[in-house]
Amino acid sequence: AQSVTQPDIHITVSEGASLELRCNYSYGATPYLFWYVQSPGQGLQLLLKYFSGDTLVQGIKGFEAEFKRSQSSFNLRKPSVHWSDAAEYFCAVGAGTGTYKYIFGTGTRLKVLA
Amino acid sequence: NAGVTQTPKFQVLKTGQSMTLQCAQDMNHNSMYWYRQDPGMGLRLIYYSASEGTTDKGEVPNGYNVSRLNKREFSLRLESAAPSQTSVYFCASSPGGLAGDTGELFFGEGSRLTVL
Repeated sequence: AQSVTQPDIHITVSEGASLELRCNYSYGATPYLFWYVQSPGQGLQLLLKYFSGDTLVQGIKGFEAEFKRSQSSFNLRKPSVHWSDAAEYFCAVGAGTGTYKYIFGTGTRLKVLA
Repeated sequence: NAGVTQTPKFQVLKTGQSMTLQCAQDMNHNSMYWYRQDPGMGLRLIYYSASEGTTDKGEVPNGYNVSRLNKREFSLRLESAAPSQTSVYFCASSPGGLAGDTGELFFGEGSRLTVL
């Protein structure tokens, strides 16, 4: 069965520290992989996506993610976290068929300490 | 730029009451979706519409109905609300194969529904 696992429910980091959010997936075919961010009271916004090609993808707000097929992972990273990065982050997987019935992970809530 | 607009943003219902959540997008997208978000469960797909005139069940369709009124609008109806339907509901859209489609879902700001 297709699934997405985000093992960390909450993560707390200090401002300026590096960040890595984990995402593991189970998917039968080559997946389309996404990271979305949700600020409090807002909808989700796309941070970055992986379809094919270079396994290290760059996104908005200084985020990047690396696709590792052998580990079925798509971890999100940022070298230096800003207080404004406090939000909930969702990993999603799906097939790129034109209609995106994605499967979302349960989310990781990031807290940033000043 | 409006993007995806949902109404209402907040609603309180009593068990057994009915209501409709409205969603409209102004991006000429083909595909539209309704998700619900519950703590610790992420987003789960209720229904989607791949294109105007079609609708299909998602992961958790029971207790809901949808209507794709036209290309812009996709509504979600609760015929007889239950406390288990207390949730935050998100409408989303995607180009659905149109030129320039990058696979991105565009989300509304959500509708918080409480069923007492």
